[in-house]
Amino acid sequence: DAGVTQSPTHLIKTRGQQVTLRCSPKSGHDTVSWYQQALGQGPQFIFQYYEEEERQRGNFPDRFSGHQFPNYSSELNVNALLLGDSALYLCASSLGDRTNYGYTFGSGTRLTVV
Amino acid sequence: KNQVEQSPQSLIILEGKNCTLQCNYTVSPFSNLRWYKQDTGRGPVSLTIMTFSENTKSNGRYTATLDADTKQSSLHITASQLSDSASYICVVSSAGGGADGLTFGKGTHLIIQP
Repeated sequence: DAGVTQSPTHLIKTRGQQVTLRCSPKSGHDTVSWYQQALGQGPQFIFQYYEEEERQRGNFPDRFSGHQFPNYSSELNVNALLLGDSALYLCASSLGDRTNYGYTFGSGTRLTVV
Repeated sequence: KNQVEQSPQSLIILEGKNCTLQCNYTVSPFSNLRWYKQDTGRGPVSLTIMTFSENTKSNGRYTATLDADTKQSSLHITASQLSDSASYICVVSSAGGGADGLTFGKGTHLIIQP
């Protein structure tokens, strides 16, 4: 039973570039949520995808966008990268978009913007 | 505004000793409270989840308590091991569900010294 898989594990980008991060949910889960975690901070909610639509969104600019595919996997895209976008990006999967239980996190993608 | 405050921010103890981490929250309406363990550069892994009616829950050497009246929780680690070195994050979920209903603490950074 595969857990949540994220790729790549590490990434270095230059300011102004664009980046795409990928997430495959845990088997049996259909909802994917994305979080940004700065060093020494708790995760901050970016958005959640369910049924291939963005269902909820946190306080992040439009430079952050996403997509969910029919197989429930998801992508997070960040345009016009800023130094402040350097962080660990976490993906969490769950069953249903209004559940309070069963959030399983991936190991994250460490993004460094230089 | 929903908030989760954790203390201490960091803690160093000797291997074999016990320790207790604290979490105070002001999330309303309350649904459940979870403790996660996060190794450096990795995703959070769930330790315990407690609902309003649960006072104590154990997972091996980890024991979590919840006082819903005072809105406080603690995580007690018994006979600490070097592998317990990690950040411990308290997450409170508000009723109604959804990823945007999760409020994360900043975590307690625990270091176990031999």
